[in-house]
Amino acid sequence: TQLLEQSPQFLSIQEGENLTVYCNSSSVFSSLQWYRQEPGEGPVLLVTVVTGGEVKKLKRLTFQFGDARKDSSLHITAAQPGDTGLYLCAGDTGTASKLTFGTGTRLQVTL
Amino acid sequence: DAGVIQSPRHEVTEMGQEVTLRCKPISGHDYLFWYRQTMMRGLELLIYFNNNVPIDDSGMPEDRFSAKMPNASFSTLKIQPSEPRDSAVYFCASRSTGSSSYEQYFGPGTRLTVT
Repeated sequence: TQLLEQSPQFLSIQEGENLTVYCNSSSVFSSLQWYRQEPGEGPVLLVTVVTGGEVKKLKRLTFQFGDARKDSSLHITAAQPGDTGLYLCAGDTGTASKLTFGTGTRLQVTL
Repeated sequence: DAGVIQSPRHEVTEMGQEVTLRCKPISGHDYLFWYRQTMMRGLELLIYFNNNVPIDDSGMPEDRFSAKMPNASFSTLKIQPSEPRDSAVYFCASRSTGSSSYEQYFGPGTRLTVT
């Protein structure tokens, strides 16, 4: 079973601060996805990274896939209250159609 | 376009009762996934279907859980008999083979409470 460990588990910051969330595994993934989940809703896809070393930007969010395709990071610049939620990474090995989800990082951004 | 539809949104039942959760995937999607989410264990895959056929049910906790997909637009997850430890949020998700990198679309979930 492939495990995806996320850190930190919880993060409480003030509006305007920067933060980075990490997603680590000992397994190699064909691609890795980041989802955000808000209370009472299902996870929603933010981005998919496919190539080792790839960097993708989504407004204030920057996603990076590790060179060895075993890890990923999500950096948020100038966090806003609207960024509050549970962030989940999910990897696929390419040999099955299912995703392995990470342990999650719960982010709270306050005014 | 309608997203993944789940019903009911909330279910409260007593231990020992049968519970049936329902899911309508996005039209045209050929994969359907059932997940369970708890604070302790996070988001766990229970079972998934491809073209209505169960492919991997290794995540189903035990024989009390069963899932069916009689057609491309409907799936059920049944728990019989239910137990308090089954309390969780159950999500259904779907995706299309043609989508990039296994992107999945999740429903709003069913919050199950077993007392």
